[in-house]
Parts: sequence; structure tokens; C-alpha cells
Amino acid sequence: NAGVMQNPRHLVRRRGQEARLRCSPVKGHSHVYWYRQLPEEGLKFMVYLQKENIIDESGMPKERFSAEFPKEGPSILRIQQVVRGDSAAYFCASSLQGLENTEAFFGQGTRLTVV
Amino acid sequence: KQEVTQIPAALSVPEGENLVLNCSFTDSAIYNLQWFRQDPGKGLTSLLLIQSSQREQTSGRLNASLDKSSGRSTLYIAASQPGDSATYLCAVRGIYSGAGSYQLTFGKGTKLSVIP
Repeated sequence: NAGVMQNPRHLVRRRGQEARLRCSPVKGHSHVYWYRQLPEEGLKFMVYLQKENIIDESGMPKERFSAEFPKEGPSILRIQQVVRGDSAAYFCASSLQGLENTEAFFGQGTRLTVV
Repeated sequence: KQEVTQIPAALSVPEGENLVLNCSFTDSAIYNLQWFRQDPGKGLTSLLLIQSSQREQTSGRLNASLDKSSGRSTLYIAASQPGDSATYLCAVRGIYSGAGSYQLTFGKGTKLSVIP
């Protein structure tokens, strides 16, 4: 009964490279959320996806960031041309339903370091 | 815009002591409030979920209360243990128009240290 699985746990990228973060939700969950935690800051919402659809991307930076949740496979958060300011912990959460009273379960996070 | 504040930012207590962590939010129009635990370098573990219609939830030595009208929640930990040392996060799911209601708004957390 695996929970939310994120990989890699740690990722180091040079400035200008691409970062791909993967998230496999709890089995049976079709709703995925991505959050970012900057050093000394609280978690900030980035994007909410259902299978093959982006529902709410109001927290995503307008450029370089994209997310997908294909019919098959994990959700992917992609950051192109990374900069030092992208260094953060990125957390994925999933829920069984997208209803407002639904509990969210979080993964261990991917810690991205841009050098 | 919803803002969540947690006080204190850090707390150190001797083992066995009962303690209270505080969370306040600016907009009382919420669906629910969730308390999480975060260990250093680790992910978030959900502790308790309180729906807006509820006053409190209990799990083992943990009790969370919610006063929606005043925008406050407390997490009570009884008989604290060194293993309780972690950062405790409070998050609310607000009632917004459109898709925004799916977001959780987090506080910055209270870092708890329980001294043996």
C-alpha cells in the first residue's frame, strides 16, 4: 500500500539545464497537486491536475515551468533552463477525489539544487 | 487572499510536557484545515483533518480544535516525547470561486524540539 512516490529524492542541475520531477500518486488517486517549498518559506501551491487535464495552474510561474499527468504513468513537473532561484523542495500530493473535503496525502519531495 | 500564521515559530519543551501549537487564518471561509508533521529533509505526514463543520479531531495523543469564526486552530500534544520533535504545519483549504478552492494554504510551521 504505497503512498505518494516521488523521484528522484535529490536532483542537482547546472544553470540552464532541464529538471524533470516525477510523482506517482497513491494507487487509485486521480488528482495530483504540486507544491514548492523555498528555504525558510511555507509550501506554495503550484498546480492541480487530473488525469490528462490541468485544472488549476494559478501558482505556476508563467515561463519555464510545465506539468502533466498523462493517462498512463506518473505526473511530471518540468522546469526548463533552471536558475538558482528554482532551488527548492518540490512536493507532490494526491487525493482520491477533487472534492473540497478530501484529505491530501503528500510524498517525500524532490530537493532540487541548481548550481 | 488567505494568510496562515503559526505561532510560535519554534518551541522547546522537556519530555512529558503537554503543549499547544497555534494556527490562525485570515479568511474564515474554509472547507477544512489539516495539520501535518514534517521531519527534516522528509515529506509531510498528515496528522489530522478537520472539516469546517467540525470543532475538533483526535488521534492518539493529538487533539486539534477549530474555531472557524475566529480563524483559529490549535494542535494539542499530550505527554510529549522526543520522537515528536519535528516541524508542524497547518494548512487550510479556502472557499474560492473557480478552481482556487483546491489549493491548500500553508503556514510556515512551528519547529518543535522535545528534550529528553
